[in-house]
Amino acid sequence: QKEVEQNSGPLSVPEGAIASLNCTYSDRGSQSFFWYRQYSGKSPELIMSIYSNGDKEDGRFTAQLNKASQYVSLLIRDSQPSDSATYLCAVFSQAAGNKLTFGGGTRVLVKP
Amino acid sequence: GAGVSQTPSNKVTEKGKYVELRCDPISGHTALYWYRQSLGQGPEFLIYFQGTGAADDSGLPNDRFFAVRPEGSVSTLKIQRTERGDSAVYLCASSAFIPRGQHTGELFFGEGSRLTVL
Repeated sequence: QKEVEQNSGPLSVPEGAIASLNCTYSDRGSQSFFWYRQYSGKSPELIMSIYSNGDKEDGRFTAQLNKASQYVSLLIRDSQPSDSATYLCAVFSQAAGNKLTFGGGTRVLVKP
Repeated sequence: GAGVSQTPSNKVTEKGKYVELRCDPISGHTALYWYRQSLGQGPEFLIYFQGTGAADDSGLPNDRFFAVRPEGSVSTLKIQRTERGDSAVYLCASSAFIPRGQHTGELFFGEGSRLTVL
């Protein structure tokens, strides 16, 4: 079992719709959770961080965390073609040595 | 500088050669990470420095890979006897500790060094 799992996609959504991305993780001791966006040929860019159970909203992005189910999600509202990218879920654990572990990423395609 | 700087941005070498990749982190960031990313995959952890010391090098694939950070700032990733399977983008990231000595886990990445081994 991979430590951080994501559906590789591609997730195809029409412009203006909601894109829903999911991520599960195996280390129950993880305490910080992140979503990075990566455009083709570019480096990962941090877009959301979440540390406690529940929802966190930032603009068109909402991150959701459920530690009991070891599940993190990202919603992108009013999707735009510029949101087309790979979205990487990352999980941080101090107990595991201050290591940030990434999932394989979900490729999102927003069609005009 | 304002962000994490990595050089070279592209490196093409022949199988068996020695390669060095450099990373200059964000000023004041004490934590520095190296990751490797192959096409279509997520970044794979290689090594983590806290200050000058390697706090965790469990991700280095074998003894051909080595990294240093002698003064607690710039880091160099060194690859000996390169193999075609080493071809990937090598990403460096840095992170700050908050005042109580805790690590936020928020990493800021450089643009990467693309290594191609022919």
